[in-house]
Amino acid sequence: NAGVTQTPKFQVLKTGQSMTLQCAQDMNHNSMYWYRQDPGMGLRLIYYSASEGTTDKGEVPNGYNVSRLNKREFSLRLESAAPSQTSVYFCASSEVGSGSGELFFGEGSRLTVL
Amino acid sequence: GESVGLHLPTLSVQEGDNSIINCAYSNSASDYFIWYKQESGKGPQFIIDIRSNMDKRQGQRVTVLLNKTVKHLSLQIAATQPGDSAVYFCAENEETSGSRLTFGEGTQLTVNP
Repeated sequence: NAGVTQTPKFQVLKTGQSMTLQCAQDMNHNSMYWYRQDPGMGLRLIYYSASEGTTDKGEVPNGYNVSRLNKREFSLRLESAAPSQTSVYFCASSEVGSGSGELFFGEGSRLTVL
Repeated sequence: GESVGLHLPTLSVQEGDNSIINCAYSNSASDYFIWYKQESGKGPQFIIDIRSNMDKRQGQRVTVLLNKTVKHLSLQIAATQPGDSAVYFCAENEETSGSRLTFGEGTQLTVNP
């Protein structure tokens, strides 16, 4: 199984451009998440989707939108990219009711905004 | 606000030694504490977790200790190997939040041959 797959792996944008990060999981998980990771910092939650059809804001949602397209796919959109959004973005998924916090992460998408 | 953090940003050990990575947390309502390993260029990978009503849990070559009195969490790695070199993150979770984890900043573990 592929697990959690993110595309693209690398992207360079100019300020004001828009783009969508794609994420798909093949583990039949109900919950999916988008985190960002900045140098020397831990991961911060942007948005999450507890189940198909629902999305909620995390710790740092400003400047982002998400779509839970179906059970497998959860996309993250930057409508007007800013240099402050230069980061590594990780998508993750988990079993519903997995209160222990075992998340399965993708390999990351490295975004640079000039 | 609530936060999870680490005492040391870097740790260097000799191959074969035991490693201890520490973490302080402040959210008394956390139900689970989790350790993740992140190798360079990859996503974090779950190592082990511990429920808040436990003080010790062992896995394969790893042990997690939880001291709720001083809000301290540690990860012990026995017989550290070069493949253990990575950044280690602690995270905490409240069951009522689903699996919305709060991560610490991470400790870079370097294993010297």
